[in-house]
Amino acid sequence: GENVEQHPSTLSVQEGDSAVIKCTYSDSASNYFPWYKQELGKGPQLIIDIRSNVGEKKDQRIAVTLNKTAKHFSLHITETQPEDSAVYFCAASKAAGNKLTFGGGTRVLVKP
Amino acid sequence: EAGVTQSPTHLIKTRGQQATLRCSPISGHTSVYWYQQALGLGLQFLLWYDEGEERNRGNFPPRFSGRQFPNYSSELNVNALELEDSALYLCASSRLWAGGRETQYFGPGTRLLVL
Repeated sequence: GENVEQHPSTLSVQEGDSAVIKCTYSDSASNYFPWYKQELGKGPQLIIDIRSNVGEKKDQRIAVTLNKTAKHFSLHITETQPEDSAVYFCAASKAAGNKLTFGGGTRVLVKP
Repeated sequence: EAGVTQSPTHLIKTRGQQATLRCSPISGHTSVYWYQQALGLGLQFLLWYDEGEERNRGNFPPRFSGRQFPNYSSELNVNALELEDSALYLCASSRLWAGGRETQYFGPGTRLLVL
């Protein structure tokens, strides 16, 4: 089955700096890669997703890149703010509606 | 538009008992997914229901079961509770559109504690 690895497990950045989280996946049949943000006591919230026919996608301060050949994808957050502090999860699946396989999560702390 | 709702928010049971968790999907969403988020184990896929049928099942024992009702809400049942079943149980929903099935949106979860 699919296996997703996520690095780093913790990330501390200064407010205004950029944060990058990287994930690798094992199943070449995976075609859909969402990223979720989970704040304390809440469920995961979708922040951005990318499909395999696209190499990069941006939404304001957030961008995701996908390298299908290398089977890895990354989340980039620019101009970080304290409210970006949370746990971020990457995931992979064969399609948007199929079961998601999650990475282990990255705890991001943005220091003011 | 209301998001995915789950009840109860917290549930305390003793080993050997049964737990029932409930989920109401976003209006218009026909698929419901269940995930377990145990401490140190990340998010793991449990079950997927669509149009009342079980579509896929994760690597969990048969004492984890569920169902989806005609109004698309869902129930997760955990029988013969074990201490390691203590976790946050997350429900997600998605809808079918012309291009396929849309992404999954999560509820706040039910925190189950087994003593």
